Amino acid sequence: EPEVTQTPSHQVTQMGQEVILRCVPISNHLYFYWYRQILGQKVEFLVSFYNNEISEKSEIFDDQFSVERPDGSNFTLKIRSTKLEDSAMYFCASMGGSSYEQYFGPGTRLTVT
Amino acid sequence: GEDVEQSLFLSVREGDSSVINCTYTDSSSTYLYWYKQEPGAGLQLLTYIFSNMDMKQDQRLTVLLNKKDKHLSLRIADTQTGDSAIYFCAERPTGNQFYFGTGTSLTVIP
Repeated sequence: EPEVTQTPSHQVTQMGQEVILRCVPISNHLYFYWYRQILGQKVEFLVSFYNNEISEKSEIFDDQFSVERPDGSNFTLKIRSTKLEDSAMYFCASMGGSSYEQYFGPGTRLTVT
Repeated sequence: GEDVEQSLFLSVREGDSSVINCTYTDSSSTYLYWYKQEPGAGLQLLTYIFSNMDMKQDQRLTVLLNKKDKHLSLRIADTQTGDSAIYFCAERPTGNQFYFGTGTSLTVIP
């Protein structure tokens, strides 16, 4: 069964460093998403991406964040200068063009020290 | 913004039914979802319901939707130890943004 994959599973970085979180969505899906989940809190929407551009973004998704689909398979989230409060689990998700079903990857745990 | 609320914890005995409740705020939500998250894993889509439906049954899972009260519930029949997980309710208003609740941690006692 097709699935969303994410790498790495765990990333440790120092405050102020740039990180890139990688995702491979399900191959024929058209909508891509990033969410984050701070430990013990709700899953929060960050951004959605469709047709090679951001379609919606939340207040969390400020200038420190960017997304890219550099090729036909990868979807990346970049945090330019990490802060301690960026420590969270980051989930990628994808959805087909005529589907209502959003599928999630296993997540990347980001720890900023 | 949209607010999705769930109770944090639920404990049931193996074999009993579990009912996980959720309230949401956006009356224009077109789809409502239930996801399951096992420890260390991502969110697994369990089921979803269109806003023009009151109920949806899928094997052991029954979803009830009360649009007037903006209340969604997930009933798990014959709950098993493998059902222990965190269950997230999510709403999807117009557009493609999903809003998730805080999650309900279900513990099944053998």
